[in-house]
Parts: sequence; structure tokens; C-alpha cells
Amino acid sequence: KNEVEQSPQNLTAQEGEFITINCSYSVGISALHWLQQHPGGGIVSLFMLSSGKKKHGRLIATINIQEKHSSLHITASHPRDSAVYICAVETSGSRLTFGEGTQLTVNP
Amino acid sequence: GAVVSQHPSWVICKSGTSVKIECRSLDFQATTMFWYRQFPKQSLMLMATSNEGSKATYEQGVEKDKFLINHASLTLSTLTVTSAHPEDSSFYICSASASREQYFGPGTRLTVT
Repeated sequence: KNEVEQSPQNLTAQEGEFITINCSYSVGISALHWLQQHPGGGIVSLFMLSSGKKKHGRLIATINIQEKHSSLHITASHPRDSAVYICAVETSGSRLTFGEGTQLTVNP
Repeated sequence: GAVVSQHPSWVICKSGTSVKIECRSLDFQATTMFWYRQFPKQSLMLMATSNEGSKATYEQGVEKDKFLINHASLTLSTLTVTSAHPEDSSFYICSASASREQYFGPGTRLTVT
């Protein structure tokens, strides 16, 4: 079993839909990261969380430390949101362990 | 925001040759840089952690003599793939850490023929 599990693996939505991507982990962490990877491969850091909730524009990330679970929400989704979203947990020494990623496709 | 660059962005080399990939933090100093490898349709795997002025710490299964890492300054780390083989073909990504945040480079796609 992977230390970081994401669901779903693939997600297709219509423009405007509310999207949720889930991440569960099984190890003790100092923080959890949500990353976005576009088809060209470049990675953008969206959020770093150690508790509670963060919001940036149409993106919201939450974490429940007791349940070892985090969610990434996208409101009013747009085709430009199409990308792979990756959950990564930070353990000792800032090392990151990554989930398999969720391929999101938003159709116009 | 903080910017990390990688050079080259893509490289094709012949089997048996060595390839050097540079990772630079452009507008901040990074005491720690990380090197990752990503195979198609798979997630990133940490290869090594690089601290300025000291030897890199390699993850289990990563050959330190094959993947040479040098972190000569607070803004530059290099990864050299020595005696490259086709199975080394992959997407190599670095990240630089500052104030608990990690900033990722755009990646280098290596193809070994």
C-alpha cells in the first residue's frame, strides 16, 4: 500500500462544475503539499498545509490531521484547470513523498 | 514568486555518454535542493537531497556513482548522469527549498539512445 493515496485517478468534468480530489496518507507528516503538473511537465506548488484550510482564488485545500486526509477543491472549473494534481506529504528533512496524481480534464 | 530554472530543458544523448543537468534558484538562496525522477504515467520519485557544501543524501536504490550531485553554491546544484543507458531516459525535476516552501524547476527530459 502506498504511503499516499489519491482518488480519483482520473476525473472528467464540465466547465463550471465543482471538483474535489482526495488524498489519504498513512505516515506522520509535518506538512502536506498540493501540486499542479501541466502537460509540459512543469510543476507549480498550489498549497502547503499543516492544519485547517487554505484558499487561493478558486482553489481550496483542507486537511484533517486526525483522519490523515486532505482534499483539494476547485470551484467553477475551467478548461485551463486541466492538469495532473499531485498530493505530496512532507516528512523529516523536508522530504516529499508523492501520490500517483489525479488527471483532471475539464471540458468546455 | 521564487523561480527555479533547469538547463537543459531536454537532451538526447548516446548510450555510454554523460549528461549534466543544472538547477538554479534565480532570486533566492536555497540551502537544500532535491532531485526527482519521473517515468511516464508515474509520480515523482525522490532521488537525492542536496545540501550546499556537503555530500548529497541518496535514496535507497539510487546509485550515487551513477547520479553525481554537486551543490557548489546556494543557487546552483547539478546532477550528472554518468554512462547513461536507455533505462535512464526519464524526466528529471529539481526543487529548491527556502523557508519551508519548495519551488520546482520546469524539468529536464532526458532521452538516451
